[in-house]
Amino acid sequence: SQTIHQWPATLVQPVGSPLSLECTVEGTSNPNLYWYRQAAGRGLQLLFYSVGIGQISSEVPQNLSASRPQDRQFILSSKKLLLSDSGFYLCAWSHRGNQPQHFGDGTRLSIL
Amino acid sequence: GQQLNQSPQSMFIQEGEDVSMNCTSSSIFNTWLWYKQDPGEGPVLLIALYKAGELTSNGRLTAQFGITRKDSFLNISASIPSDVGIYFCAGPSNTGNQFYFGTGTSLTVIP
Repeated sequence: SQTIHQWPATLVQPVGSPLSLECTVEGTSNPNLYWYRQAAGRGLQLLFYSVGIGQISSEVPQNLSASRPQDRQFILSSKKLLLSDSGFYLCAWSHRGNQPQHFGDGTRLSIL
Repeated sequence: GQQLNQSPQSMFIQEGEDVSMNCTSSSIFNTWLWYKQDPGEGPVLLIALYKAGELTSNGRLTAQFGITRKDSFLNISASIPSDVGIYFCAGPSNTGNQFYFGTGTSLTVIP
């Protein structure tokens, strides 16, 4: 069966510091991968998605970037964090874009 | 992107009551998904619907794909405290590369 792992679960970072969140999927090949951000008590905002290695689509202009160095690895990064980057970050995968997505447990990011 | 409107935004119900929520779209969908998110965790897929008029159950949960293909409904029967969470609907984009998620319905069950 397939599993998805995100880490860290919680992260507290100062404003202006860099960021690297990692997501890996096991038990499947060539998945679609997604990064979402969720503000407290709000809906899911799609940040990036990837249909293959090195292929990244950005949904909203922002202070963040994503990379997919390996088939089942998806990384969310920032060179300099802003206060507005705080939130709950979720990684998800699907077999194809029109098939249900499955989410990781999320990373709670707090910027001080 | 596509906006999916969920109603109600929040619900406070007594344990044992039935729950109904819905999701509407301005576009026609060929798939509807329903997820539940427990506090502090990622959303978990509850039910997937692939055909207009389809009615699918998962335990005490029942979801329906609206005939117009622009809406979907989720019902929970005999609610229990562990039903607490946020329920999201989702529908596919025209490009087929992603799903649009609804605004969520927050459910609180009072013991």
